[in-house]
Amino acid sequence: EDQVTQSPEALRLQEGESSSLNCSYTVSGLRGLFWYRQDPGKGPEFLFTLYSAGEEKEKERLKATLTKKESFLHITAPKPEDSATYLCAVKETSGSRLTFGEGTQLTVNP
Amino acid sequence: KAGVTQTPRYLIKTRGQQVTLSCSPISGHRSVSWYQQTPGQGLQFLFEYFSETQRNKGNFPGRFSGRQFSNSRSEMNVSTLELGDSALYLCASTPGYWGNTIYFGEGSWLTVV
Repeated sequence: EDQVTQSPEALRLQEGESSSLNCSYTVSGLRGLFWYRQDPGKGPEFLFTLYSAGEEKEKERLKATLTKKESFLHITAPKPEDSATYLCAVKETSGSRLTFGEGTQLTVNP
Repeated sequence: KAGVTQTPRYLIKTRGQQVTLSCSPISGHRSVSWYQQTPGQGLQFLFEYFSETQRNKGNFPGRFSGRQFSNSRSEMNVSTLELGDSALYLCASTPGYWGNTIYFGEGSWLTVV
């Protein structure tokens, strides 16, 4: 059974203080690792899909990387508007069945 | 380009009633999946439809059902509502069956009283 564990559960940063979020996963065959951002009361917003170890993707202040056992979401010089819950999910099969982690709640203080 | 549209956004139902939620995928997307999000269980997969056929089903009781129409729009139904069914129900769509980019709607907030 797929398992996804995210750490830390919550993270408080000062504006401009870079950090990383971790997503550890256990799957028999990875068909994709997904990162989403979710604001309170809203649906998850798609950020990245990674497929193989060594792959990296960037979007503005966010950079996602993937190894065989975990993924990192690096946040460079965050701003208060980056405050949100960041969700990691894995896909083991074709189709769109995702197994999600519990998320990391990020707060960036001005 | 319009995103995934879910209706209604908010609803309150009484235990024992049934509810139907609707989802219109992004134009051109043929695969629709449904998820339940609660504070205790997080995001959990309900089921997935592609070309009007259910391709995958999560570990939910038979009270939860869904369908997809020929225009790719989807509905999910929950019968005999229980208090524990209170949750945010999210619909997601992806262009084809392989699900490389999966986009979510804003969700339908269901409260069962």
